[in-house]
Amino acid sequence: KQEVTQIPAALSVPEGENLVLNCSFTDSAIYNLQWFRQDPGKGLTSLLLIQSSQREQTSGRLNASLDKSSGRSTLYIAASQPGDSATYLCAVRGRNSGGSNYKLTFGKGTLLTVNP
Amino acid sequence: DAGVIQSPRHEVTEMGQEVTLRCKPISGHDYLFWYRQTMMRGLELLIYFNNNVPIDDSGMPEDRFSAKMPNASFSTLKIQPSEPRDSAVYFCASSNADRAFGYNEQFFGPGTRLTVL
Repeated sequence: KQEVTQIPAALSVPEGENLVLNCSFTDSAIYNLQWFRQDPGKGLTSLLLIQSSQREQTSGRLNASLDKSSGRSTLYIAASQPGDSATYLCAVRGRNSGGSNYKLTFGKGTLLTVNP
Repeated sequence: DAGVIQSPRHEVTEMGQEVTLRCKPISGHDYLFWYRQTMMRGLELLIYFNNNVPIDDSGMPEDRFSAKMPNASFSTLKIQPSEPRDSAVYFCASSNADRAFGYNEQFFGPGTRLTVL
């Protein structure tokens, strides 16, 4: 059974700092990995999706990497801003989901606070 | 496109009552997902549909939960009877998948916050 872990559970940084959020998963047989952002009381917004054959994806100040063999992904946020404050979740779409090809397994998220 | 639309946004009901949550996926998307989010368990997939057909309902907690998708633009998640432990945020998401199953970016609605007293 796929398990996704995110460390740390919460992170507080001063504005302008570069930071890294971590995600690990137990089964490396995946189609892809997706990073989401969730603001309080809101739904999830997709940030980046990395296919299993890719090593990284970039969007603006965000860079996500994937090391499938070790079951790890990182989300790098450059020059953080107070507006980046949110919960960041990673989710993997596994190949070994008992025929359920579209099942996403989520981590519990990292709550990021960027202080002005 | 307006994105995934869910209603109601908030629902407060008493134990034993029937609750119906509604979702309109993004037009043209052929996959629809229902998730539940709680502090203890995080975000869990309950059921998903492909072309209006339920594909995997292994996450549905018990028979009190049922989901339908009568057409490509509408789905419901029903809880009958509701219990306090059903209190959570319920999300609907939709997706358009490629033929090789290699790409599946899911787009989420704003969620329905359900409180069962």
